[in-house]
Parts: sequence; C-alpha cells; structure tokens
Amino acid sequence: QVQLQESGPGLVKPSETLSLTCTVSGVSITSYYWSWIRQPPGKGLEYIGYIFYSGITNYNPSLKSRVTISVDTSNNQFSLKLSSVTAADTAVYYCSSGYYTGKFDFWGQGTLVTVSS
Amino acid sequence: QSALTQPRSVSGSPGQSVTISCTGTSSDVGGYNFVSWYQHHPVKAPRLMIYDVSQRPSGVPDRFSGSKSGNTASLTISGLQAEDEADYYCCSYAGSYTVFGGGTRLTVL
Repeated sequence: QVQLQESGPGLVKPSETLSLTCTVSGVSITSYYWSWIRQPPGKGLEYIGYIFYSGITNYNPSLKSRVTISVDTSNNQFSLKLSSVTAADTAVYYCSSGYYTGKFDFWGQGTLVTVSS
Repeated sequence: QSALTQPRSVSGSPGQSVTISCTGTSSDVGGYNFVSWYQHHPVKAPRLMIYDVSQRPSGVPDRFSGSKSGNTASLTISGLQAEDEADYYCCSYAGSYTVFGGGTRLTVL
C-alpha cells in the first residue's frame, strides 16, 4: 500500500531554513501530485503547497516567498524548504498525496519541527 | 487569505446524527465543487472522509455524507459511534490554492 514518511531535523533556529523530506513507498512518485500541510500546536491545518514530478508547483500565497518544494524521482522523494523561519513556523509537518482539489488521500504520520534558539 | 469557518465544537449521543458546517465565500466553497473533509484523531494522520463535496473514498462508512448549499458545505455523521470522536476539518479549493477550516471538535457523549 502507499506509505509516506517525513524526515528531517526536529529543531531549527530562528532565521534559518527548515528542510524536510518525504519518502514515498508503494507507488511511483510520478503517479500523483504531492503536498505539504502543517498544523501549529493547538491550531488547525494549513496548506503549504504541492508538486508534480514534472516540476509543476503551487504554493500558499501567505508562504510563497519562503517556500520551495522539489521532487527527486530517482529516490521517490519530495522535499520542503521553508526559509527565514520564526516561532510561528513551529508545527507538525505532514506530507501527503493530492493537490488543489483538496483530495489528500495518503498521509505521512507527521513530524514536529520546533523553531527555537 | 482566511480559513473557512467551522463551529469550534459539536456533540451528540451514540446513535444520533450530527452536522458540521463549513462556511466560506463565493471564491472558495461557493465557487467550486472541490470541498473535502478530514477526520483527525490526536497523534494520528488526518483521514480523508469526503471529497468533491459528497464523494466517499473506499473504506469510509456510508454514515458519513457531505453536501453543499451556496457558500456553506456540511458534513453529516449519522448513527454516531464512540470512534467518531475526533477533530474534523473542511477544505476547499480557493482559485489558486487550497484552504482549510479551523476545525471542529466532535464529542460523542
């Protein structure tokens, strides 16, 4: 079955860049669009952006200036980079399949990233 | 951009029905038939329950149904069960991106 697993540092300093990778198994990464979604502590879900294996991307306008999502088809992975982070970027970050229609079928378990010095 | 508006909490007894509303604008919920709903138990990944307003993915019980009228979408859960207690989020296409609701905590009494 389709499985997703997030990986990356759990602690990032303010003003630095948050970097996460999502490893996809059970399906080729060329089969779906892939997204990042986050949930700050005590708050709701927030869409970050999506990518297709061809390189097509879409980002949340509120984060667009700081976000880059990329794909590595050879390793069946896609990645998130969020620059100039602040405490407001502290959240559980999820990777998932899906795109603008909001049909996010498969999800990783999520990884907590804390922004603190 | 603003999150879609959901009630903070709803509750119901086992066997009853509850409806969770999700209010947006003509630029999101009202403008497209791309509304989805997610069930989120703490420390677990969200689960897709409804997509494209009223479609159920394979494996989702038919006790869960979705609808839309104007700028408001609704998720109805009939025959409430204890395992339905969770947070529920709506989600909609908004023209150039995707927006979520603030979430609703469902308590099964």
